[in-house]
Amino acid sequence: AQSVTQLDSQVPVFEEAPVELRCNYSSSVSVYLFWYVQYPNQGLQLLLKYLSGSTLVKGINGFEAEFNKSQTSFHLRKPSVHISDTAEYFCAVSEPSGGYNKLIFGAGTRLAVHP
Amino acid sequence: DTEVTQTPKHLVMGMTNKKSLKCEQHMGHRVMYWYKQKAKKPPELMFVYSYEKLSINESVPSRFSPECPNSSLLNLHLHALQPEDSALYLCASSQVWTSGAQGEQFFGPGTRLTVL
Repeated sequence: AQSVTQLDSQVPVFEEAPVELRCNYSSSVSVYLFWYVQYPNQGLQLLLKYLSGSTLVKGINGFEAEFNKSQTSFHLRKPSVHISDTAEYFCAVSEPSGGYNKLIFGAGTRLAVHP
Repeated sequence: DTEVTQTPKHLVMGMTNKKSLKCEQHMGHRVMYWYKQKAKKPPELMFVYSYEKLSINESVPSRFSPECPNSSLLNLHLHALQPEDSALYLCASSQVWTSGAQGEQFFGPGTRLTVL
């Protein structure tokens, strides 16, 4: 079975500093990887996804992630964060089956941006 | 329209009440999902509907009863819930997953349920 590990439960960072949120997955088959963001009292919004092709994936709000097959990682990065980036971030791997996409989520990383 | 809507936004119910959560999408997606999310935890899959038929039930107690009356609507009927069922209930939809269309899931804003 696939699994996802988000290595940091909380990441505090100052505004305009760079940030990296770490994600490792375990899978013996082709993987499809996603990063979602959840702002307080809201649903999940897709930041970016890796399905195939270039290992560097660019997403919304200035985020990007790099797929590293040898290290089974899909870390999320942003060169300069804003207060508004404070949120919960979930890494997920998919298990396509029977026409639907079952997502396996990591435990989440709480990004707290301080002024 | 790339939005999934959910109503109500908040719901408080007693353990003997019957209530329903509603989810709607107009993106032409044929797969719809119900998730339960407890505080500070990731979403947990409850049900998956594909082409209006129940495809996955993740061993959810029968006090939760899903219904997909048409391709745009998904309901979750609630009856005799327990306080531990209090959570954020999220609906999502996606395209059918094929080799040519690996559609991501679009999530609604959720219904915050409190069971007294």
